[in-house]
Amino acid sequence: KAGVTQTPRYLIKTRGQQVTLSCSPISGHRSVSWYQQTPGQGLQFLFEYFSETQRNKGNFPGRFSGRQFSNSRSEMNVSTLELGDSALYLCASSLEKRESTDTQYFGPGTRLTVL
Amino acid sequence: AQSVTQLGSHVSVSEGALVLLRCNYSSSVPPYLFWYVQYPNQGLQLLLKYTSAATLVKGINGFEAEFKKSETSFHLTKPSAHMSDAAEYFCAVSGRGGADGLTFGKGTHLIIQP
Repeated sequence: KAGVTQTPRYLIKTRGQQVTLSCSPISGHRSVSWYQQTPGQGLQFLFEYFSETQRNKGNFPGRFSGRQFSNSRSEMNVSTLELGDSALYLCASSLEKRESTDTQYFGPGTRLTVL
Repeated sequence: AQSVTQLGSHVSVSEGALVLLRCNYSSSVPPYLFWYVQYPNQGLQLLLKYTSAATLVKGINGFEAEFKKSETSFHLTKPSAHMSDAAEYFCAVSGRGGADGLTFGKGTHLIIQP
């Protein structure tokens, strides 16, 4: 079974631009979560989607948004990019996520660099 | 609110020696605890998870962790380190009964000396 895939793997943008990252979960997984990883702040939870609905959201500004499609694929969007948005963005999928014991399987990440 | 503290941003051990990576948690509800490993330029891979079934949890690659409620700890151990264990290790906590995201520690970089 194929793992979580994320595209693109690397991205370079300039301040003020917007960016869209894509995540395809493991087949059969219905929950998709997004995390931001930076050297300073570590791994931080962005949001989680289940059945095309955002179920939970971390403490990030409204410039960060996401959505989930009927096939469980998810996208996240960052508008008006800032230098501090440079990070590795990780997507994770799990079967149901009703229970917090569900294992989250992570993709390889998209490394975003903002110049 | 939940939090995780990993003691030691870098840990160095000799090949064949015991690996001990420390994790302490804070949670207002009974926690679910996880250890993940991250190799360079890769995502996170689950090593093991605690879900209240047993306090000693065995994971992949010879790792195990023991949940100690009285110490609010979930330290990761491996009896004999291998060069391939060199990586970044993250402890994470998730609250029970909800679609909470994982709260991660800052990570511990494990260095294996030949």
